[in-house]
Parts: sequence; structure tokens; C-alpha cells
Amino acid sequence: GESVGLHLPTLSVQEGDNSIINCAYSNSASDYFIWYKQESGKGPQFIIDIRSNMDKRQGQRVTVLLNKTVKHLSLQIAATQPGDSAVYFCAEGGGSYIPTFGRGTSLIVHP
Amino acid sequence: NAGVMQNPRHLVRRRGQEARLRCSPMKGHSHVYWYRQLPEEGLKFMVYLQKENIIDESGMPKERFSAEFPKEGPSILRIQQVVRGDSAAYFCASSPRDRGPTEAFFGQGTRLTVV
Repeated sequence: GESVGLHLPTLSVQEGDNSIINCAYSNSASDYFIWYKQESGKGPQFIIDIRSNMDKRQGQRVTVLLNKTVKHLSLQIAATQPGDSAVYFCAEGGGSYIPTFGRGTSLIVHP
Repeated sequence: NAGVMQNPRHLVRRRGQEARLRCSPMKGHSHVYWYRQLPEEGLKFMVYLQKENIIDESGMPKERFSAEFPKEGPSILRIQQVVRGDSAAYFCASSPRDRGPTEAFFGQGTRLTVV
């Protein structure tokens, strides 16, 4: 069946390093992708999104890359800070209008 | 403008009891979505409601679960005769009329523990 998944469940980085979180999707009909950040005890928070007619989109310290050929999505966080520690989810939408969430990657930033 | 408000934040129920989870959407938002999150899992869609209407309940279990979004008051997710497997975090999200679920804002969730 269709699925949205992440390659690594946990990513540990040092403060100041760049972080890259990856996501694979299999629904080729998806045309909209979103990254969410979920801090402990809180709900998901929208970070950045990208449509399938783009391959890169930048925000403040974050960049999302989309490779439709291999159905791969990544979130890059520049100069990672302790406050970036959270679980990051990718979600796909468009193919099904309700977003489908991946399992999540836990980002741990060491000071 | 307050965000999406969910209460209670934590709820403990014994097996067989009823759980009622409340969600007040952001001001001006008329669409509400409920999701369930099991430990170390992503969010799973349950139901999409507009005022007095259930738009999509394809993610709702067929038995014991129901949801409503009345004309006045919060949206309610009701779980009857809870079982241990219902223990999870339940999140509500809301969006305005001209925005879809991918642009919804999430509440902080209700963590249900069934003992």
C-alpha cells in the first residue's frame, strides 16, 4: 500500500551543525508535502511545505528538498540549536486531501 | 487570537468507562479534524467535521467512537467503553472555511490513558 516513511528514527547532532532529516514516500499522486515539528507534550507545528512543481524551498534556517524521481523528501536545518530538538514528521497531501503522516524522526541536539 | 484549545490535557479512564475529549477551534475556523497518535507513531486521521456535519469519518473505528461539532460549542470526540488499546494522544486541528486540512493548526492534544 501507499506509505510515508522516514529512514532514521533518531538523529543526534551537535549544536551548530546542520541537520538533514529524510523522508520517503510512495504515492506518486501526492502533490503537496509538509514538514511538522512536534515538541514533547505538544501538538505538531507546521514548519515548511513544498508543492510537487518545485524541487527546493527555503525558509528561515530550514530548506526542504523534493526529489520526485526517487520519491524522496528532506528537511535541512542550518546551525541546529537545542530548541530544534523535537520529533519531525513529513506528511503528504494532494493525492488524498487528508495529509498522511510518516512515523517521525527524533532530532536530539547536544549543546 | 487563542490557538486550538483541547481539554482535558490528560485523561485517565478505567476500562469500560466513557471518554469525552473537547476541542475548541481557533476563532473563525469552521473545520475541525481529529487525529490519533500512538507512542512513537505518526498521526492517524480519524474524522473531519464542519459545523453540524461529518464530512469524512473514514478513519474512525466502526464501534465505540463518535464525533460531533455542534453549531454552538466545542467539537467532541467520544469514546465509549474504553479499552487499553485506546490509550493514545488525540489531537484536534482546525482550519478556516477556505483552507484545507494541510493548512490546519493543531492543538496540544489530550493524552488518554486507560487503566
